[in-house]
Amino acid sequence: GIQVEQSPPDLILQEGANSTLRCNFSDSVNNLQWFHQNPWGQLINLFYIPSGTKQNGRLSATTVATERYSSLYISSSQTTDSGVYFCAVNTNAGKSTFGDGTTLTVKP
Amino acid sequence: DAGVIQSPRHEVTEMGQEVTLRCKPISGHNSLFWYRQTMMRGLELLIYFNNNVPIDDSGMPEDRFSAKMPNASFSTLKIQPSEPRDSAVYFCAYKRLEDTGELFFGEGSRLTVL
Repeated sequence: GIQVEQSPPDLILQEGANSTLRCNFSDSVNNLQWFHQNPWGQLINLFYIPSGTKQNGRLSATTVATERYSSLYISSSQTTDSGVYFCAVNTNAGKSTFGDGTTLTVKP
Repeated sequence: DAGVIQSPRHEVTEMGQEVTLRCKPISGHNSLFWYRQTMMRGLELLIYFNNNVPIDDSGMPEDRFSAKMPNASFSTLKIQPSEPRDSAVYFCAYKRLEDTGELFFGEGSRLTVL
């Protein structure tokens, strides 16, 4: 099956710093999503981004399907950004495969 | 996402007991998924349904696990008998009819088997 690798596995930032999270995948995909799992365990949809670039406030995401990667950019990080960020890819099989996540800690 | 209601939110049971987890998605979906999350294995797809029909159950760990979707607004995941290694958070997720593939998750059911 498809392999999804996220990097870095852990990231510690000072409030106000910027960061880029990466998601690499091993095969062609139909779509790609970024999720944020907050400290209460909820999985929050951030972006549905099969290709191109999208922005939502301080967050933006870019997927380059031909190069099999996606990036999530967080600017001016806040403590509420802490949690685990997951990338999930969907192939023709219809099901989504998740990476292992990047654990982000933003310190005040 | 309020589009899917899971129950119970927390369950603590003893090894050997039967566990039933429930999922009620909103109307207007055509695919429903059960995922399990553990520290060791991350988020794993257990089974998914399309138009209430099981499509892929290759992620179901063993015969102790079973899932049903008797109608479009209700699904169950049953573990019988439960074991301590089944302790995890179980998520139900769905895709909306009008979307091409965006997945939405419920809040999960945290299961602890003693």
